[in-house]
Amino acid sequence: KAGVTQTPRYLIKTRGQQVTLSCSPISGHRSVSWYQQTPGQGLQFLFEYFSETQRNKGNFPGRFSGRQFSNSRSEMNVSTLELGDSALYLCASSLWRTDTQYFGPGTRLTVL
Amino acid sequence: KNEVEQSPQNLTAQEGEFITINCSYSVGISALHWLQQHPGGGIVSLFMLSSGKKKHGRLIATINIQEKHSSLHITASHPRDSAVYICAAVRGGGADGLTFGKGTHLIIQP
Repeated sequence: KAGVTQTPRYLIKTRGQQVTLSCSPISGHRSVSWYQQTPGQGLQFLFEYFSETQRNKGNFPGRFSGRQFSNSRSEMNVSTLELGDSALYLCASSLWRTDTQYFGPGTRLTVL
Repeated sequence: KNEVEQSPQNLTAQEGEFITINCSYSVGISALHWLQQHPGGGIVSLFMLSSGKKKHGRLIATINIQEKHSSLHITASHPRDSAVYICAAVRGGGADGLTFGKGTHLIIQP
């Protein structure tokens, strides 16, 4: 089975712009979670989607949003980018919500 | 105080040594993940456990839910084990997402 894929792998944006990141889960997996990783804060939970519904969300501002499509693929969007949004964004998929999560390679976002 | 604490933060050891990384948490959890992250960012899930002990090759993970503590052990360590090891707590039956420790940066010298 193919693993979790994320596109793009690298992205450079400027402050104020918006960005959309994509995640394709392992075939058959219905749960997709998104995480932000920064040197200062480490890994932090962004949100989780299951069956096209956001099940819960971490402590991030409303500029961070996401969605999940019927094929379980997920996108996350960050609007009005700030310098502090520079990070590695990881998605992970699992068969069910409480199963082992399989991580994608991440998208490294740099905001200038 | 972080809800999930790891120790040590950094660990350098010689090839062949027995390695222990600890994770303690201050909240109720239903399970705990151990993750491995190599330079470049890729994360691999090593274990998910809610009680007792699990073993995979040279890796062993234990958890004591009552004492709110988990350990990851590496036997016969090898330079390829060099990575960041992260524990992550599953709270609220998974309803609250994962809460991560800061990670343990492990270097195994040949």
